[in-house]
Amino acid sequence: SQELEQSPQSLIVQEGKNLTINCTSSKTLYGLYWYKQKYGEGLIFLMMLQKGGEEKSHEKITAKLDEKKQQSSLHITASQPSHAGIYLCGADGETSYDKVIFGPGTSLSVIP
Amino acid sequence: DADVTQTPRNRITKTGKRIMLECSQTKGHDRMYWYRQDPGLGLRLIYYSFDVKDINKGEISDGYSVSRQAQAKFSLSLESAIPNQTALYFCATSDPGQRYGYTFGSGTRLTVV
Repeated sequence: SQELEQSPQSLIVQEGKNLTINCTSSKTLYGLYWYKQKYGEGLIFLMMLQKGGEEKSHEKITAKLDEKKQQSSLHITASQPSHAGIYLCGADGETSYDKVIFGPGTSLSVIP
Repeated sequence: DADVTQTPRNRITKTGKRIMLECSQTKGHDRMYWYRQDPGLGLRLIYYSFDVKDINKGEISDGYSVSRQAQAKFSLSLESAIPNQTALYFCATSDPGQRYGYTFGSGTRLTVV
């Protein structure tokens, strides 16, 4: 079965610094989702990537999909305290009958 | 109103008690899911339903049961709660015709003492 790994597991950065979170799949990626979760709350959809080399941005967050490496990266530019939370990646299965599987999450703290 | 509503938001219960967590959605999605989240373990699937007559076990269904009362409602029950079921529980919905991931509820924080 497919597994997703995320690195790093946790991250503490100074406000204003850039950072990158990686999500690596054990199998081919058919669709990759990024979610953000504020501590103890629900998950908010950030973006979805479907094609190799695809790159999407939302405000100061950019995500990229590297199909060959079976990996996606999430990059935050000039981090702010509002970026703090847990970032989870999720991957589509090969068919629409497959369920999305999720990585373990990366906990981000931003120090003012 | 939220697209996916979970009740209660927080619950403390005693070991051995039966408890039900409820989920309702206004998305019109056929597919609904229950996950639990534990620190460091991410989201683990408990049960899922692809339509009203379809119920499937996920990876950690032991100790749980579900009921799909209608397209919009999917309830999770703990028949006899135990402390290691203390977790954050999420309900989610999806539309297989549009691969846009899941829409999540705000979660239910359950503590079993």
